[in-house]
Amino acid sequence: GQNIDQPTEMTATEGAIVQINCTYQTSGFNGLFWYQQHAGEAPTFLSYNVLDGLEEKGRFSSFLSRSKGYSYLLLKELQMKDSASYLCAVMDSNYQLIWGAGTKLIIKP
Amino acid sequence: DTAVSQTPKYLVTQMGNDKSIKCEQNLGHDTMYWYKQDSKKFLKIMFSYNNKELIINETVPNRFSPKSPDKAHLNLHINSLELGDSAVYFCASSQEVGQVDLQETQYFGPGTRLLVL
Repeated sequence: GQNIDQPTEMTATEGAIVQINCTYQTSGFNGLFWYQQHAGEAPTFLSYNVLDGLEEKGRFSSFLSRSKGYSYLLLKELQMKDSASYLCAVMDSNYQLIWGAGTKLIIKP
Repeated sequence: DTAVSQTPKYLVTQMGNDKSIKCEQNLGHDTMYWYKQDSKKFLKIMFSYNNKELIINETVPNRFSPKSPDKAHLNLHINSLELGDSAVYFCASSQEVGQVDLQETQYFGPGTRLLVL
């Protein structure tokens, strides 16, 4: 079956750096997405990786290793507003997005 | 100027009723989706339409029937509501499907919180 694994919850301190890992086993691979979802709101797009390596976008970076079935989202200079769930999703060979359950990130002052 | 909109935002109803949720996108996208997010926060695809044609129809009860009058709208009708249907339903859209690039990025509506009593 298809599977996306992420930690359920992580805690970090304001101003620090946090890395959220995602491992996947899917039938085919056509790209990996990271989304942010604040409580009670819709998921919003953060990043997209289809080739191995690091994609940087401001305070957020996302890394992909296709051979290892692994990605991470790196958040720098954490702010209180970064408290949210972070969802990893992989597009499979049928161009269907397979979603992880999300990692709830708690930022403490 | 909301990109993907859904109505209603909240829906509280009795078991056995029939209800509809509407979705509209003004992004000019070709593909629209319906997702269900349960209490465990898993996002599960239900349906996908590309240019008004059904392309994904996951294993959902046939009480759920999507309708796409045009490519900017994808509505979800639910018959004989059950307690287990309580969840948040998200509509989403993307520019393309079947491309390996950013045009596959899905943009979500605000969600409809359905509570069946």
